[in-house]
Amino acid sequence: DTGVSQDPRHKITKRGQNVTFRCDPISEHNRLYWYRQTLGQGPEFLTYFQNEAQLEKSRLLSDRFSAERPKGSFSTLEIQRTEQGDSAMYLCASSDSTDRLIYEQYFGPGTRLTVT
Amino acid sequence: AQSVAQPEDQVNVAEGNPLTVKCTYSVSGNPYLFWYVQYPNRGLQFLLKYITGDNLVKGSYGFEAEFNKSQTSFHLKKPSALVSDSALYFCAVRDGGTYKYIFGTGTRLKVLA
Repeated sequence: DTGVSQDPRHKITKRGQNVTFRCDPISEHNRLYWYRQTLGQGPEFLTYFQNEAQLEKSRLLSDRFSAERPKGSFSTLEIQRTEQGDSAMYLCASSDSTDRLIYEQYFGPGTRLTVT
Repeated sequence: AQSVAQPEDQVNVAEGNPLTVKCTYSVSGNPYLFWYVQYPNRGLQFLLKYITGDNLVKGSYGFEAEFNKSQTSFHLKKPSALVSDSALYFCAVRDGGTYKYIFGTGTRLKVLA
């Protein structure tokens, strides 16, 4: 399967703990996005990478959230000192930019975070 | 500020009838518009997009959408609905001046046999 993969698929953690999620995009894609989705809502943009550069970050991304894409391939999203309000599905998506006409994103299955 | 509105939480349609799922948007620059579908326990899948050119865009699974600049709308349509089209549909917009995508709240489509 050459789609976007995310790990883990599910994470249960206690309030105050740190968690880290991983995303592996489609191999030739150099654009990578993170979103958060809560029940009854659409995906909410968190951050965008082009290769290893983080080019855009939502104001919603508090200081407790950090994302990296060190070699321009996989990415990690870390949440420090988790709160119950962080419980959500965290989605990763990638897209190609070699053809400037192609803008659609390919989404991974998501990581469901539950903070107890 | 960018925004997307999907005014209907749910749309019910009989199998074989035409369907429309509505979307309106607001951006400051040129809009890049998308429709995605989410089936239960599966990730979002791309259906179609409008970047430039012809206002009628055709996509996967027989879906199409019409870009209307004056009404700032991008409604999703299909001439004949199938039960298998039942899913959650999301409209999304990207302002041409940013990398940020804004998604609507989704519309649940239920096709009745």
